[in-house]
Amino acid sequence: GIQVEQSPPDLILQEGANSTLRCNFSDSVNNLQWFHQNPWGQLINLFYIPSGTKQNGRLSATTVATERYSLLYISSSQTTDSGVYFCAVEQRRTGNNRKLIWGLGTSLAVNP
Amino acid sequence: EAQVTQNPRYLITVTGKKLTVTCSQNMNHEYMSWYRQDPGLGLRQIYYSMNVEVTDKGDVPEGYKVSRKEKRNFPLILESPSPNQTSLYFCASSLSGTVNTEAFFGQGTRLTVV
Repeated sequence: GIQVEQSPPDLILQEGANSTLRCNFSDSVNNLQWFHQNPWGQLINLFYIPSGTKQNGRLSATTVATERYSLLYISSSQTTDSGVYFCAVEQRRTGNNRKLIWGLGTSLAVNP
Repeated sequence: EAQVTQNPRYLITVTGKKLTVTCSQNMNHEYMSWYRQDPGLGLRQIYYSMNVEVTDKGDVPEGYKVSRKEKRNFPLILESPSPNQTSLYFCASSLSGTVNTEAFFGQGTRLTVV
């Protein structure tokens, strides 16, 4: 099955710094989403981005589907950005299941 | 507000005592699914449903049951919970099982089985 690899696994930033998180996937995908899991365990949708570039405030994401990777940019980081960032993909499927395959995440800590 | 609602958020139970985790969505989504999240293993799919009365197994279905009698609800049933089912559970929904759209997740249910 498809493999999803995220890097780096851990990241520590000072408040105000910028960062780039990467997601590599091993096969063609129908869907790619970025999530933020906050310290309470909730999964927050950040981007639905099977291809192209999107921006939402200080966050932006780019997916290059032909090269099988996606990048999440965090600018001017804040302590509330701390948590785990997940990339999840839906493989081009032959059946009916719209299962998301998840990376193991990037754990981000933003220090004041 | 469009959302997926799970209940309870936290649950501690004893081995063998049947429990149900409810999931409801208000977006008229056809596709719903359940995942469990475990350290080092990531999120894995338990069951999914393409529409009312249509359910199927995901990757880790053992020890779980589901039902889809109404479009909005997709409860997860543990008939005889065991300690290895201690996990963080998420319900998700998408507009369609055939059209590529965004998945939305509930707040999560943290289950501990002692």
